[in-house]
Amino acid sequence: GEDVEQSLFLSVREGDSSVINCTYTDSSSTYLYWYKQEPGAGLQLLTYIFSNMDMKQDQRLTVLLNKKDKHLSLRIADTQTGDSAIYFCAESYSSASKIIFGSGTRLSIRP
Amino acid sequence: DADVTQTPRNRITKTGKRIMLECSQTKGHDRMYWYRQDPGLGLRLIYYSFDVKDINKGEISDGYSVSRQAQAKFSLSLESAIPNQTALYFCATSDPSGGSYNEQFFGPGTRLTVL
Repeated sequence: GEDVEQSLFLSVREGDSSVINCTYTDSSSTYLYWYKQEPGAGLQLLTYIFSNMDMKQDQRLTVLLNKKDKHLSLRIADTQTGDSAIYFCAESYSSASKIIFGSGTRLSIRP
Repeated sequence: DADVTQTPRNRITKTGKRIMLECSQTKGHDRMYWYRQDPGLGLRLIYYSFDVKDINKGEISDGYSVSRQAQAKFSLSLESAIPNQTALYFCATSDPSGGSYNEQFFGPGTRLTVL
């Protein structure tokens, strides 16, 4: 069945890079997402990548996809206190299907 | 104004009570979803609806029911609340025709506590 796994916690120093990792089981996943949940709020789409890509960069964010290993990562450069949040990895088979979410990784920033 | 709203934002109730959580959206999306969030478990899908006449069970529908009263409204009911339904509940919408990547838009959440 479909499953998305990620570690629950990550702590990084302000100004360092954060790397959040995710593995998924469904090799037919077409869309892979990173959602961000700030305290007291719902999730917001941060970025996404199609399965035919292996990298996507958007300002401080870099998404890497290894389809062979079914591994997705999100790198946040120059991590700031405003990046403190829970980050959810998610996947879907098509633009018309359900999205399966991982358990979320809580990113905390230390001074 | 928020595009996806949920009421109430917080609710404390007792075991055995019937509870309804409401979700409204102004995005004009056909698809709506109910999730629950528990620490360490992420988001789990309870029910979803692809249009007004369509209702589908998610992975954890037992103990819940839904009603899609209109395109803009999707409500979640707990017929007889129990303590392990204490969680944060999110409504979400999506419109796959509007973009190629099926973004979901989330409401602010309802924190439900069942005593």
